[in-house]
Amino acid sequence: EAGVTQSPTHLIKTRGQQVTLRCSPISGHTSVYWYQQALGLGLQFLLWYDEGEERNRGNFPPRFSGRQFPNYSSELNVNALELEDSALYLCASSLGLTRQGDEQFFGPGTRLTVL
Amino acid sequence: KNEVEQSPQNLTAQEGEFITINCSYSVGISALHWLQQHPGGGIVSLFMLSSGKKKHGRLIATINIQEKHSSLHITASHPRDSAVYICATKRGTASKLTFGTGTRLQVTL
Repeated sequence: EAGVTQSPTHLIKTRGQQVTLRCSPISGHTSVYWYQQALGLGLQFLLWYDEGEERNRGNFPPRFSGRQFPNYSSELNVNALELEDSALYLCASSLGLTRQGDEQFFGPGTRLTVL
Repeated sequence: KNEVEQSPQNLTAQEGEFITINCSYSVGISALHWLQQHPGGGIVSLFMLSSGKKKHGRLIATINIQEKHSSLHITASHPRDSAVYICATKRGTASKLTFGTGTRLQVTL
């Protein structure tokens, strides 16, 4: 069974640009979580989607947004990139709200560098 | 004070040693994850537990809900165990994780 996949693996952008990161959950999982791990900092919760709806949002500015598609894959969009957005962005998936098993499984991450 | 605290921050051990990493949290939780992150960045979930003890190979995780404390033990440590170990808590079903700052473990020959 395929795990959580993310694309791209690495990305280099310049300040002010916009970026879209993609995540495909494990088959059968309806919840997708996005986390940010900035250099030297711990993991921070960004966004949680379940069944196509945003369920919770971390303490990040509105230029961080996302969506979940009917096939449960998800996109994270970051507008007006700033240098401090350079980080590893991790996606995780779980069975979701409608089911009891909710262990989260992580993807390999997308490393974003903003110059 | 962080909601999830880990100790130690850094740990160096010789191959074969028994290792303990501690995690304390300040609010009631539904479950606690122990995660492993290798230098490449990928994260592997080692355990999710809400009570008692779980064992997988040389890894043992325990949790004491009343004391809001969990430990991760590695028996007969090996250089391939070198990684950052992160504890993360969850409040409620299918909700976000709150992470500790991680423990960087280096196991030498």
